[in-house]
Amino acid sequence: QVQLQESGPGLVKPSETLSLTCTVSGYSISSGYYWGWVRQPPGNGLEWIGSIYHSGRSFYNPSLKSRVTISVDRSKNQFSLKLTSVTAADTAVYYCARVPHRELPTAIELMAFDIWGQGTMVTVSS
Amino acid sequence: QSALTQPASVSGSPGQSVTISCTGTSSDVGTYNLVSWYQQHPGKAPKLMISEVTKRPSGVSNRFSGSKSGNTASLTISGLQAEDEADYYCCSYTGSSTFVVFGGGTKLTVL
Repeated sequence: QVQLQESGPGLVKPSETLSLTCTVSGYSISSGYYWGWVRQPPGNGLEWIGSIYHSGRSFYNPSLKSRVTISVDRSKNQFSLKLTSVTAADTAVYYCARVPHRELPTAIELMAFDIWGQGTMVTVSS
Repeated sequence: QSALTQPASVSGSPGQSVTISCTGTSSDVGTYNLVSWYQQHPGKAPKLMISEVTKRPSGVSNRFSGSKSGNTASLTISGLQAEDEADYYCCSYTGSSTFVVFGGGTKLTVL
């Protein structure tokens, strides 16, 4: 059974970098699927941050692209999120998820988020 | 990139059916059959209920069904049960420049 688990600091200071890791068990990242991050500010809705393939090919939300890097470590079966220059607006529960996709000649279609981690709360505060 | 539009809340009595709408544009919902729906109970992670407009993952009750007409997708829950009370989010693929957009969420209350 595939499971995802987020880990990382729960408190980050303004202007610093938020770093989270998602550890995947029960499935090899290298076997396929995109893998992604979604966040949810307290009391608000879901926001897609970005997704990555085991090859390293990644896609980001245009509104966050300048501050986001998602990377993959196949040897540890993990993928990671870095968000720079954080502010209070980045306070949220951060989820990692598996992302089924479809490859077309001219595009990669991200189809859904079918398995989710439990989420980790990150607060940006001094 | 604007979020998909969902009603803030819907309600229904046990045994009834409710439908939650999700309105996008011709650039997302109207073009791609890649609308998904998620159920989220308080303090829990979202759970995939419907993918590709109408497909139910294994283990999801057949009381949940999805459809689409034009730029609007819908999630219908029939035979409402108390356990269905939750927030529901729609999501759509939006093409290779913006990729993914979520709806603002709908709170379902079972009366």
